[in-house]
Amino acid sequence: NAGVMQNPRHLVRRRGQEARLRCSPMKGHSHVYWYRQLPEEGLKFMVYLQKENIIDESGMPKERFSAEFPKEGPSILRIQQVVRGDSAAYFCASSPRDRLYGYTFGSGTRLTVV
Amino acid sequence: AQTVTQSQPEMSVQEAETVTLSCTYDTSESNYYLFWYKQPPSRQMILVIRQEAYKQQNATENRFSVNFQKAAKSFSLKISDSQLGDTAMYFCAFTDSGGYQKVTFGTGTKLQVIP
Repeated sequence: NAGVMQNPRHLVRRRGQEARLRCSPMKGHSHVYWYRQLPEEGLKFMVYLQKENIIDESGMPKERFSAEFPKEGPSILRIQQVVRGDSAAYFCASSPRDRLYGYTFGSGTRLTVV
Repeated sequence: AQTVTQSQPEMSVQEAETVTLSCTYDTSESNYYLFWYKQPPSRQMILVIRQEAYKQQNATENRFSVNFQKAAKSFSLKISDSQLGDTAMYFCAFTDSGGYQKVTFGTGTKLQVIP
């Protein structure tokens, strides 16, 4: 049973380009969460999605950031017109309906904006 | 809003010794879940241990155990017989029991196990 798969593992973008980060949840998990980890900091919640629905995007910056979890395929975190401050590690986690099990995290995508 | 505080940015311990990492949190909820996550240099976030607030018994997972003091809102992690592979960042985390698993993380403690 594969874990949460994130790709790419490393992504370099120039300022102004778009970044697309992908997350495939564990088999049987229908809840996906995105977190951002700035250097020397803990993880900060960004968005929570279920299939075809955004449940909570209270941690998402108001502009340039969007997320989706389509009926088929991985969840996508999209950052448009990236800036240096977007450089961070972005983690995806998934969980089954039962919260008792906690999260299973992916290995993260490290985004570097040059 | 819930907050999680880890007051020890860095710690070190000799191999085979015991170390305790501190964590305090603030919430108005009566039922919730607390976690310790380990992040080694590989960057993978690994769940170490989980505690449910309504359970009085402290959780234990092999060499890892917690001291959960609900009234004091304290949730420390004890690592016994420390091993080199325990070198990592350790994050304390909290989620309430309502809604879904939105988790609040502390800023982490960097643990170095010295051979």
